Amino acid sequence: NAGVTQTPKFQVLKTGQSMTLQCAQDMNHEYMSWYRQDPGMGLRLIHYSVGAGITDQGEVPNGYNVSRSTTEDFPLRLLSAAPSQTSVYFCASKPPGLRPGGYTFGSGTRLTVV
Amino acid sequence: DQQVKQNSPSLSVQEGRISILNCDYTNSMFDYFLWYKKYPAEGPTFLISISSIKDKNEDGRFTVFLNKSAKHLSLHIVPSQPGDSAVYFCAASARGANNLFFGTGTRLTVIP
Repeated sequence: NAGVTQTPKFQVLKTGQSMTLQCAQDMNHEYMSWYRQDPGMGLRLIHYSVGAGITDQGEVPNGYNVSRSTTEDFPLRLLSAAPSQTSVYFCASKPPGLRPGGYTFGSGTRLTVV
Repeated sequence: DQQVKQNSPSLSVQEGRISILNCDYTNSMFDYFLWYKKYPAEGPTFLISISSIKDKNEDGRFTVFLNKSAKHLSLHIVPSQPGDSAVYFCAASARGANNLFFGTGTRLTVIP
């Protein structure tokens, strides 16, 4: 049982480049979300999805796009990377009807934009 | 504006003593509170939670206290162990919502 898998673990981008952070879960969880962790800021919600075909914005959505074509996958796209997007990104999922204590987090992607 | 605040970036305690981590929140709609633990290069893992209908929840060495009137919660770890050294995040959610709001974290160091 792999849980929540994030790839890549590390990435360096140049300003203006695009990339996709991958997130996959094998627990058949309806709810998935992306957070970024920055020093002194805690974890902040970027985008979330309550099921396939449904996505919505969190606290800090600017500069990021998401889609949810399957229950298993929830990729996060950076269309034109900026240094302000240097951060550690976490994907999380949970089953429906469970309070947020049921979140399972991936191990993170450390992104540096130069 | 930060709705969940952890004002102590770091805390050091001796092994065997009590660790007390504090958290404050501003949104009165929050009704469910959690603590997550995070080791380096890993994702956060759920530690303990409390509903607003309670003022205390205990799980082994970990106890969370909630003071709704003060909008304050705390995590007590007794006795503290070196393996407890990690960053601890306080988080909160509102009724009917899936999303979590996190504090900035407190780095706990337990000294052997």
